[in-house]
Amino acid sequence: QVLLQESGPGLVKPSETLYLTCTVFGDSLNRGSHYWTWIRQPAGQGLEWIGRIFTSGSTNYNPSLKSRVTISADTSESQFSLELNSVTAADTAVYYCARDNALSHDIMTGGGYYAMDVWGQGTTVTVSS
Amino acid sequence: DIQLSQSPSSVSASVGDTVTITCRASQNIRNFLNWYQQKPGKAPEILIFAASGLQSGVPSRFSGSGSGTDFTLSISSLQPEDFALYFCQQTFSVPWTFGRGTKVDTK
Repeated sequence: QVLLQESGPGLVKPSETLYLTCTVFGDSLNRGSHYWTWIRQPAGQGLEWIGRIFTSGSTNYNPSLKSRVTISADTSESQFSLELNSVTAADTAVYYCARDNALSHDIMTGGGYYAMDVWGQGTTVTVSS
Repeated sequence: DIQLSQSPSSVSASVGDTVTITCRASQNIRNFLNWYQQKPGKAPEILIFAASGLQSGVPSRFSGSGSGTDFTLSISSLQPEDFALYFCQQTFSVPWTFGRGTKVDTK
């Protein structure tokens, strides 16, 4: 069974940097078909994809956050991390880590049909002085 | 970014009803469309991938259809545990984006 667990401070001051870590149990960050992803959800609102990291270390970020976000991985610790700098109250949300897995493949192109099939329980981050 | 318009934003239904939720993409996303269920205080869970693929362990009363820009999630014979929030998500191009969600609550 694959489990993901987020950890990090629940309170961050405005203009400071938010650091979260996701520890992966039961899977390897080196497995070639997975991306490791961060998503957030402000209270009572929808889901926002923040970005992801692949086994090679390559990353994709949401352009709306790209200038402030870094996602990195430590395969020896089976962890991947999120850094979001210059935070404001608008960054207050529940932050989830998730495994983005190719659940099937496109017959024509061979490309993967990705979906987040394993999620952490989420961690609430509040930005306030 | 690809925009997803989900409707309705909420629907009231009774146990045993069939509920249909639609998701419209701002451009052709072929069948790169997923559906998730989220219960209060919990992380979302994948129900349907690639528009119509049923995720392992998900009851067969959930079904998805559509391609291109128009997609549907249907829940037949609604069960008490199905009252929840449902989101669509596109994985055609980065950044992945989500619909605003549909709340299924008790009539």
